[in-house]
Amino acid sequence: NAGVTQTPKFQVLKTGQSMTLQCAQDMNHEYMSWYRQDPGMGLRLIHYSVGAGITDQGEVPNGYNVSRSTTEDFPLRLLSAAPSQTSVYFCASSISGGLQETQYFGPGTRLLVL
Amino acid sequence: GIQVEQSPPDLILQEGANSTLRCNFSDSVNNLQWFHQNPWGQLINLFYIPSGTKQNGRLSATTVATERYSLLYISSSQTTDSGVYFCAVVTNAGKSTFGDGTTLTVKP
Repeated sequence: NAGVTQTPKFQVLKTGQSMTLQCAQDMNHEYMSWYRQDPGMGLRLIHYSVGAGITDQGEVPNGYNVSRSTTEDFPLRLLSAAPSQTSVYFCASSISGGLQETQYFGPGTRLLVL
Repeated sequence: GIQVEQSPPDLILQEGANSTLRCNFSDSVNNLQWFHQNPWGQLINLFYIPSGTKQNGRLSATTVATERYSLLYISSSQTTDSGVYFCAVVTNAGKSTFGDGTTLTVKP
């Protein structure tokens, strides 16, 4: 198993540009989530999904969209990038619901918005 | 929302020393995990421990859910233990919250 994979590893955007961060898992996990990590801080939940077709907002959802058309993929979209979105983004998955299971994290995407 | 506080924020140890990291949370949780983020940014699961005590080699963790805290013990620390240790909780609503972490530096 590849586990949780994220692409790209690094990205530089200009303010106002759009992009999609990709996340995929091959463990047949139902629960997937996106976090951002700012310097010196813990991870903050952006959006999460308990299964295909179901998504919900986390702590800091503004400026981000998600969709979950398949169990394997959970892309994160920035529609109009802002410098405040400069951060490291982590995708995670767990077997079911995230309530009783260990979360597994991808390697992260480092995003710089100029 | 739920608050998660970790202490101490920073910890410097000499190799071979023992340490205790603490995580306090403000409400009932379904799930509590400890993670280690290594200097390359990778997040590694250490323990899934909503209650009770677990041990894995030099690391052990205890969660007292009724008193809303968890402790991570590191014994005989090594330089490879350096990094940031995070506590994360998940409420029954399915949302997870991380603490701000404890940055551990182990000197040779």
